[in-house]
Amino acid sequence: DAGVTQSPTHLIKTRGQQVTLRCSPKSGHDTVSWYQQALGQGPQFIFQYYEEEERQRGNFPDRFSGHQFPNYSSELNVNALLLGDSALYLCASSGTDQETQYFGPGTRLLVL
Amino acid sequence: QQQVKQSPQSLIVQKGGISIINCAYENTAFDYFPWYQQFPGKGPALLIAIRPDVSEKKEGRFTISFNKSAKQFSLHIMDSQPGDSATYFCAALGAWGAQKLVFGQGTRLTINP
Repeated sequence: DAGVTQSPTHLIKTRGQQVTLRCSPKSGHDTVSWYQQALGQGPQFIFQYYEEEERQRGNFPDRFSGHQFPNYSSELNVNALLLGDSALYLCASSGTDQETQYFGPGTRLLVL
Repeated sequence: QQQVKQSPQSLIVQKGGISIINCAYENTAFDYFPWYQQFPGKGPALLIAIRPDVSEKKEGRFTISFNKSAKQFSLHIMDSQPGDSATYFCAALGAWGAQKLVFGQGTRLTINP
């Protein structure tokens, strides 16, 4: 049983570019949450998707957007990248036990 | 206030000792408190979790102690081993329908052999 998977593992972009990160939830899970983890900090909640809709959003600008597909996988899009967007982006999935969130390995984004 | 404050920032413990990490919160609407363990280059892994109606929960060498009146909770790692060296995060989840985890800033734990 595969856990949460994310791709790519690492990514280097330049300021102003756009990026798309992908996440496949754990088998049987239908809810996907995205978090940003800056170096040396705890993860910060970006948003959560359930039934292909954004259900909850954290304090992130509209440059951050997402999507959930019918198979429950999800994408995180970031437009007009800033240097400060450099971070580890984590995807977490949950199922009927909504409280228990399982994290993927993350995508390390570096903006130059 | 949707903050969780975690201390210490870093901790060094001798092998076989007890590691203790503390967290405090302000929002009484939080009702689920997990601890995550993160190794370098990896995502956080759920270690153990507790609800406010329980004062203590133990799983193997890991114990959560919860003080609802003080709005504090802590993780105790008994018989700490070098393999426990990692960053530990406390977190909180609200009872108001939001499923977002609010994390502490993390504690880098080093177990000396």
